[in-house]
Amino acid sequence: NAGVTQTPKFQVLKTGQSMTLQCAQDMNHEYMSWYRQDPGMGLRLIHYSVGAGITDQGEVPNGYNVSRSTTEDFPLRLLSAAPSQTSVYFCASSYSNRQGATDTQYFGPGTRLTVL
Amino acid sequence: DAKTTQPTSMDCAEGRAANLPCNHSTISGNEYVYWYRQIHSQGPQYIIHGLKNNETNEMASLIITEDRKSSTLILPHATLRDTAVYYCIVRVAPHLSNDYKLSFGAGTTVTVRA
Repeated sequence: NAGVTQTPKFQVLKTGQSMTLQCAQDMNHEYMSWYRQDPGMGLRLIHYSVGAGITDQGEVPNGYNVSRSTTEDFPLRLLSAAPSQTSVYFCASSYSNRQGATDTQYFGPGTRLTVL
Repeated sequence: DAKTTQPTSMDCAEGRAANLPCNHSTISGNEYVYWYRQIHSQGPQYIIHGLKNNETNEMASLIITEDRKSSTLILPHATLRDTAVYYCIVRVAPHLSNDYKLSFGAGTTVTVRA
């Protein structure tokens, strides 16, 4: 298993540009989520999904869109990049609502985004 | 979810046990204690979790006090690769709550020295 993969590893954008951060997992996990981590800070939840076709907002959703058309993929779209979105973005996945199964969350390696 | 309090930082000698404390005095009966760590520039990594009994796995041991108001993560033989930020998180297990969010605080920065 590759686990949770994220692309790209690094990205530089200009203010106003749009882009999509990719996240994929091959563990058949129902739950997937996106976090951002600013320098010296903890992780903050952006959006999450409990299964294909279902998404919901986390604590800092503004400026980001998500969709979940397949179990494996959960892309994060920046509609119009702003310098405040400069951060490291982590994708995570886990099983959901399965009695007795560990709810360990597996994190990807992160995408380091700079918006100029 | 219950709030947790951890020391900001701690040092540990390589080869010695590292004992990381966490206070969670407002924990409720159905909340679990989870530990994750984040090595520099990497995604967080699950370590261990428990409800009331002590737990051990290949990475660490988790000791929870009888009143469940505090816990200690023990890395039995710390190595340089254990240098990381360690997060103590208290929450209801997702299979009971349908809430999968992890609330990361500031954590404890652990530095293992040779």
